Amino acid sequence: DVKVTQSSRYLVKRTGEKVFLECVQDMDHENMFWYRQDPGLGLRLIYFSYDVKMKEKGDIPEGYSVSREKKERFSLILESASTNQTSMYLCASSHPGAGGDTQYFGPGTRLTVL
Amino acid sequence: AQTVTQSQPEMSVQEAETVTLSCTYDTSESDYYLFWYKQPPSRQMILVIRQEAYKQQNATENRFSVNFQKAAKSFSLKISDSQLGDAAMYFCAYRRGGGKLIFGQGTELSVKP
Repeated sequence: DVKVTQSSRYLVKRTGEKVFLECVQDMDHENMFWYRQDPGLGLRLIYFSYDVKMKEKGDIPEGYSVSREKKERFSLILESASTNQTSMYLCASSHPGAGGDTQYFGPGTRLTVL
Repeated sequence: AQTVTQSQPEMSVQEAETVTLSCTYDTSESDYYLFWYKQPPSRQMILVIRQEAYKQQNATENRFSVNFQKAAKSFSLKISDSQLGDAAMYFCAYRRGGGKLIFGQGTELSVKP
């Protein structure tokens, strides 16, 4: 079974802090994704990566950056956290072409910015 | 641009009954994938079922089946013999280029014993 893990289930940070959210997958997937989930809005794509050191902006990249130094790890960085970044953050991974690029999700990190 | 719409924010079903969750989408593509994902309370999101647009036959996974109407751009999920463990948020998703997904707003399903 594919396993996607995220470093924290719950996180509380102060406005202006730099925040790192880590995601690790153990199935050698090329693709990795970061989403944020908000009530009534579903999941929205922040950034994604097709390979090591590659990254592309998703639909809502403002205020975020990412890093992928190793294939299995994809980090989401909030350079200066703001209250409007309080949300649930989900990481996912997939293998190109496999089952329509079925994505496998981590458990999520619920981030609160005070 | 592709969009996915789930018009039912909340649904409720009696245990052992059948419920249908609606999803519509908009695309100009002819070949694509559609998915239903389930997110139980405080638990990981998991794939329920997927449909390839070029296949006319509706996908089925045990008690879960879809009604895929390509011309109408409709992709509903039917859950038969509902169980308490089916209570969750359900998301419909469309696969766009590069393996990226577009998600609907979600439907929260409650199951009454």
